[in-house]
Amino acid sequence: DAGITQSPRYKITETGRQVTLMCHQTWSHSYMFWYRQDLGHGLRLIYYSAAADITDKGEVPDGYVVSRSKTENFPLTLESATRSQTSVYFCASREGQVEAFFGQGTRLTVV
Amino acid sequence: SQQGEEDPQALSIQEGENATMNCSYKTSINNLQWYRQNSGRGLVHLILIRSNEREKHSGRLRVTLDTSKKSSSLLITASRAADTASYFCATDGSIKLTFGSGTQLTVLP
Repeated sequence: DAGITQSPRYKITETGRQVTLMCHQTWSHSYMFWYRQDLGHGLRLIYYSAAADITDKGEVPDGYVVSRSKTENFPLTLESATRSQTSVYFCASREGQVEAFFGQGTRLTVV
Repeated sequence: SQQGEEDPQALSIQEGENATMNCSYKTSINNLQWYRQNSGRGLVHLILIRSNEREKHSGRLRVTLDTSKKSSSLLITASRAADTASYFCATDGSIKLTFGSGTQLTVLP
């Protein structure tokens, strides 16, 4: 199916554990993004990528790692999860300065 | 910090009324976009207005952009209960889209 998919949809993890959120898009869009959404903060950019093997920090990158070895995949890793990283995470993609397409989100709870 | 800030934070209207949401931003932009988010879902693109455009229409949506005031507005006419959602503006300077905190619109039947 064409589109952008995130997995898992829901995740509960313990403080200090490493967790990876997956994002896959089928359009071969150049740009991909990770946002987190918290009440009162809207969407804040964590990391973005302009192409395979090119990534850059967004507004709130601390505690996160990304990679983009293939154009279609953009995984986000929390190296050592903290309670402050409890959030809803959205992946998005686009091709150029046009509309972005969002995944359905991953609700992450760190206990 | 957020580039775009929506106003009001929450808006409640009756079905059939018009809803107006405003967005202010701080730096120069290439375009400005509006997105909608239903509860528990991802964001869906509504409309894009380029920096050299002043007004754009799409169905019941009307967007204006005033680059001199660094502000935009989204008007939804003849609102329906199904329009209940959060609405976000996003400024587009280059690669990144920067979002505001959103307006929660509730349309009462």
